[in-house]
Amino acid sequence: GQQVMQIPQYQHVQEGEDFTTYCNSSTTLSNIQWYKQRPGGHPVFLIQLVKSGEVKKQKRLTFQFGEAKKNSSLHITATQTTDVGTYFCAGPGNYGGSQGNLIFGKGTKLSVKP
Amino acid sequence: DTGVSQNPRHKITKRGQNVTFRCDPISEHNRLYWYRQTLGQGPEFLTYFQNEAQLEKSRLLSDRFSAERPKGSFSTLEIQRTEQGDSAMYLCASSWDSLKQYFGPGTRLTVT
Repeated sequence: GQQVMQIPQYQHVQEGEDFTTYCNSSTTLSNIQWYKQRPGGHPVFLIQLVKSGEVKKQKRLTFQFGEAKKNSSLHITATQTTDVGTYFCAGPGNYGGSQGNLIFGKGTKLSVKP
Repeated sequence: DTGVSQNPRHKITKRGQNVTFRCDPISEHNRLYWYRQTLGQGPEFLTYFQNEAQLEKSRLLSDRFSAERPKGSFSTLEIQRTEQGDSAMYLCASSWDSLKQYFGPGTRLTVT
């Protein structure tokens, strides 16, 4: 079945270092979404990428969608302690063809040492 | 906009008991989703509604699970004859069509 894979599973960085998480889908995606889940919290939407090769920036966060629309990455420049959490990518599922649900990766858990 | 709310936030039950969770989505959202999340995993799709119609159910959803959204507003998720493997965080999300999903705080179920 459709799978979304993320690497690495964990990343420990010193505050100020950069961080990147990678997402790969077993199928071509119409779009990809990124969510952040703080410890003890719930997933919060960050961004949606739709176009092949698309790059979007949100302050220190840079999101990319691959040319083949099967992979994506999230890069954080100069991490801060507020960046701590688990970052998930998610692609539309295809249950019954309606693409109503999201297939989430397992996430990359980021810890930042001050 | 008060966000997505879920009740209860925590539920401890004994194996074999039935439990019911409630989700109140953002009022103008037509889609409502249920996910399950276990430790170290991403949310796992269970089912979703567009208005009052349940359009999709995960193959992972056993016959013990049932969900309703009777008037296209709030939704309930019932688990019958709970098992220890049902212990998880049950997340509800809502959206307008297939746009970004807003998640609620979740209901943490512990089956003893």
